[in-house]
Amino acid sequence: GAGVSQSPSNKVTEKGKDVELRCDPISGHTALYWYRQSLGQGLEFLIYFQGNSAPDKSGLPSDRFSAERTGGSVSTLTIQRTQQEDSAVYLCASSLVSSGGSYEQYFGPGTRLTVT
Amino acid sequence: AQSVTQLDSHVSVSEGTPVLLRCNYSSSYSPSLFWYVQHPNKGLQLLLKYTSAATLVKGINGFEAEFKKSETSFHLTKPSAHMSDAAEYFCVVSEDTGFQKLVFGTGTRLLVSP
Repeated sequence: GAGVSQSPSNKVTEKGKDVELRCDPISGHTALYWYRQSLGQGLEFLIYFQGNSAPDKSGLPSDRFSAERTGGSVSTLTIQRTQQEDSAVYLCASSLVSSGGSYEQYFGPGTRLTVT
Repeated sequence: AQSVTQLDSHVSVSEGTPVLLRCNYSSSYSPSLFWYVQHPNKGLQLLLKYTSAATLVKGINGFEAEFKKSETSFHLTKPSAHMSDAAEYFCVVSEDTGFQKLVFGTGTRLLVSP
């Protein structure tokens, strides 16, 4: 595709429900990143994938958050037992490689999650 | 750990006047620095990046930034603001700890009045 796509664009869920957020990276990009943008915390890193593996999960805020990537392409971020503080915009980005500061990360439009 | 500080949460300018968005960084070694722009309801877009080449970096839409090691600054400038420049701007530093982890500043909202 032309860019990183994310679905859904908006998600409203009740507290305690599970949600899945999807990211389709740019074709051929081996590195994939998840970030969260919230009013209180700004933009923060959550997790990154190199291929299908996630060497660094330190940014995930709690064990209710998990992510996977299959086929070196699509990634899913799952939030279990959602809480109101999970309300935020979840951004996905991809790049050609994972290391080195010269590779641009291309961002998707985000999924706005609202927990009621 | 690396970090960036954006000194202004809001900057207001008139169309046609210069833009200055300030950013200071903290890094234990030569950092990679970026400016990203986020228009309302749109994704983040890279404006420009510094990766230890020329200290004056030119980006898209007439923006440029100068890396000043002595001042640990990476301010974003544009000679003449356009209405379409109104957006949120993020100064970003990259931590290359085996992968490129982006650390974002808190953002500066640029308001452009006619």
